[in-house]
Amino acid sequence: KAGVTQTPRYLIKTRGQQVTLSCSPISGHRSVSWYQQTPGQGLQFLFEYFSETQRNKGNFPGRFSGRQFSNSRSEMNVSTLELGDSALYLCASSSRTGGRDEQYFGPGTRLTVT
Amino acid sequence: AQTVTQSQPEMSVQEAETVTLSCTYDTSESDYYLFWYKQPPSRQMILVIRQEAYKQQNATENRFSVNFQKAAKSFSLKISDSQLGDAAMYFCAYRAGNQFYFGTGTSLTVIP
Repeated sequence: KAGVTQTPRYLIKTRGQQVTLSCSPISGHRSVSWYQQTPGQGLQFLFEYFSETQRNKGNFPGRFSGRQFSNSRSEMNVSTLELGDSALYLCASSSRTGGRDEQYFGPGTRLTVT
Repeated sequence: AQTVTQSQPEMSVQEAETVTLSCTYDTSESDYYLFWYKQPPSRQMILVIRQEAYKQQNATENRFSVNFQKAAKSFSLKISDSQLGDAAMYFCAYRAGNQFYFGTGTSLTVIP
């Protein structure tokens, strides 16, 4: 089975621009979660989608949004980029929401905002 | 509010020795799951071990084992016979319902 894939792997954007990141979960997985990883902050939960519905949202401003398609692929969008948005954005998929199931992580998208 | 605390930002261990990484969590839930994830440098995060809160027996996976103290809300990871490939960032995670909470990580260095 192919793992979680994320595109692009690296991005450099300018402050004020917007960006869209993509995540393809493991085949059959219906839950996709997004995290922001920065040094010293660990992983901060952004949101989770399950069957095209946002199930949970972390404490991030409205500039961060996402969606999930019928094939479970998910996109995350950040508008009006700020320098502080520079981070590694991780996507994780799971076969269901809740329970003992682990999350399988993608390699991440490294976003640099200049 | 659920929180996960890893109080050791960095740890080091001699190859072949044993090291224990600490994790505490705060929750009012009775049904939850705990995980340790490993993130090697520039590589994907992978699951090391998981523990169901309702199980009293500590989980083990080869050289990795946990010390789960439910009353103390403590979930430490013990790595025995440390290997160079164990060098990574280790994250403790807690799941209740459909949301994961991660600690800030412990960077483990393995000294040859």
